Amino acid sequence: EVQLEESGGALKQPGTSLKISCAASGFRFDDYATHWVRQRPGRGLEWVSGISWHSEDIDYADSVKGRFIVSRDNAKNALFLQMNSLRPEDTALYYCARETARCSGGTCYPVIDYWGKGTLVTVSP
Amino acid sequence: SSELTQDPSVSVALGQTVRITCQGDSLRSFYATWYQQKPGQAPIVVIYGKNNRPSGIPDRFSGSNSENTASLTITGAQAEDEADYYCNSRDSSGEHHFVFGGGTKVTVL
Repeated sequence: EVQLEESGGALKQPGTSLKISCAASGFRFDDYATHWVRQRPGRGLEWVSGISWHSEDIDYADSVKGRFIVSRDNAKNALFLQMNSLRPEDTALYYCARETARCSGGTCYPVIDYWGKGTLVTVSP
Repeated sequence: SSELTQDPSVSVALGQTVRITCQGDSLRSFYATWYQQKPGQAPIVVIYGKNNRPSGIPDRFSGSNSENTASLTITGAQAEDEADYYCNSRDSSGEHHFVFGGGTKVTVL
């Protein structure tokens, strides 16, 4: 069974840093790109960052570029998000998610398919 | 990076049909994935690609695509379909760059 479990969420002051983690199990972690997606309280889903299986392709949303750093440790089946210069608008539930190629009728589509339950990051004075 | 636009809310009578749309430039190059999210839960995939349902998703859910618009249709909506629905697609900004729509709240009356 595919499982993703986030941890490390906390209450932080603006301008500080926090690193959150995601532990993966039930699948071959180093075969998949993985992502961070966040959801502010009462708001919609926002894609934050994605990292390829070999860490050579990394992408960020404009809202976090230059402040957040995504990384992974395939030996430990772990995904990380280093969040620097935190702002109140970074307050959100942060989900770890897996990207896969879902194939049907000979065509494959990139799909973010499995999600964790999220870890809450609160940024407040 | 591009954006995906969804109507904030829609309502449907029990057993009737509702269509949710998602518009954006990324949909000209990439198919949308549709997610259902219920309160306090993580999203689940209901439609991906041209019109594909993961196992366990009822066949009353279907998808369609035209130019820069993707649509999710629920035919014969049930009470348990009341949820938030999000579209999502890859974005040409990067190999693993994605974008989400703002979400549509579906209320079943």
